[in-house]
Amino acid sequence: DAGVIQSPRHEVTEMGQEVTLRCKPISGHNSLFWYRQTMMRGLELLIYFNNNVPIDDSGMPEDRFSAKMPNASFSTLKIQPSEPRDSAVYFCASSFLRLAGGFFRNEQFFGPGTRLTVL
Amino acid sequence: AQKVTQVQTEISVVEKEDVTLDCVYETRDTTYYLFWYKQPPSGELVFLIRRNSFDEQNEISGRYSWNFQKSTSSFNFTITASQVVDSAVYFCALSEGNYGQNFVFGPGTRLSVLP
Repeated sequence: DAGVIQSPRHEVTEMGQEVTLRCKPISGHNSLFWYRQTMMRGLELLIYFNNNVPIDDSGMPEDRFSAKMPNASFSTLKIQPSEPRDSAVYFCASSFLRLAGGFFRNEQFFGPGTRLTVL
Repeated sequence: AQKVTQVQTEISVVEKEDVTLDCVYETRDTTYYLFWYKQPPSGELVFLIRRNSFDEQNEISGRYSWNFQKSTSSFNFTITASQVVDSAVYFCALSEGNYGQNFVFGPGTRLSVLP
């Protein structure tokens, strides 16, 4: 079975350019998450969707960041304009949120990440 | 606010040694979930285990075992007879709330297993 797919795997761009990161969740999963990983701040949750609807975007750092999920099999994270401090590894994760035995099965499965470098 | 602490930044062991990675968490919720993830040098994050706050049974999976103690707010991870392939960064994570989707990750522990 295919896991979470992210593209591109590496992106190098210049400050001020628009960057679009893409994610295809695991088929059948109903929740999708975007994370950012840096040495200084570790793993941070940026935004997540349930059934394609954004639920919590409080982790999105600034208005320069936006995320969309037009359908159950695709999501994008856009940075416009990009800045050097946006350089990081961006992970997409998905989960199949459901009740089991009175508790939620909510484990998240991560994609390989996109390493973004903004010069 | 939820918080996860992993005080061990880096650990080095020699192959076949046992090693325990510590995780201490803070939460005000009575219902919460705890996780461990592995990040090998290749960079992907691999799910290892999930626990809910009402299940304090220890779990063993091959050479891996987990000890959840609510009394000390700890969820420790032990690797028995470590192998070089266990070398990775290990993250403990906590989520709270009804759906438990808002994960907070600890800073990670880098484990190096030397041959």
